[in-house]
Amino acid sequence: TQLLEQSPQFLSIQEGENLTVYCNSSSVFSSLQWYRQEPGEGPVLLVTVVTGGEVKKLKRLTFQFGDARKDSSLHITAAQPGDTGLYLCAGEGERNSGAGSYQLTFGKGTKLSVIP
Amino acid sequence: ETGVTQTPRHLVMGMTNKKSLKCEQHLGHNAMYWYKQSAKKPLELMFVYSLEERVENNSVPSRFSPECPNSSHLFLHLHTLQPEDSALYLCASSQDLAGGLLSYEQYFGPGTRLTVT
Repeated sequence: TQLLEQSPQFLSIQEGENLTVYCNSSSVFSSLQWYRQEPGEGPVLLVTVVTGGEVKKLKRLTFQFGDARKDSSLHITAAQPGDTGLYLCAGEGERNSGAGSYQLTFGKGTKLSVIP
Repeated sequence: ETGVTQTPRHLVMGMTNKKSLKCEQHLGHNAMYWYKQSAKKPLELMFVYSLEERVENNSVPSRFSPECPNSSHLFLHLHTLQPEDSALYLCASSQDLAGGLLSYEQYFGPGTRLTVT
């Protein structure tokens, strides 16, 4: 069974601070997706990383996929109240792992609060 | 506007009731999914449909019955639920099912918050 551990579970910071959240596994994933979910809404896809060592930037958000494709990080620079939400990572199994590579494995998420 | 809509947004039902959740996607996708999101647990995949055929049933109790009449619509029929079934039920869609060298991103609806009393 593939598991994704996200840390920290909860994070409360002041506006303008920087932060990093992590997504770790002992399993290899063919790709990894990051979502942000606001209260009462469904997850919204932020980015997909596919290649080991890949770095993607989305404005103040920087996503990195580990070289071994087992872990990922999300760094936010100068956090704003609009960044508040639950950040979920989800991994897609290796394509040759048998049936169900479309089954995403989700972490429990990091709940971020950015205080004005 | 995510392109995936779900109704109702909130539902309270007794254990003896029968109700249905509806999902509609406006993205022209071929695959649709039902997920359950409970507090302190990761999202759990329940059912997967591809071109209106069910391809996955992740050991979901029979009190949950999915239906996919066409590639744009997905239903989850509920009957004799238990209080522990209270959760956010999310629908998602993707262009196709991932497989081989291809991967397709999933787009989620806003969810139905279900409370079983």
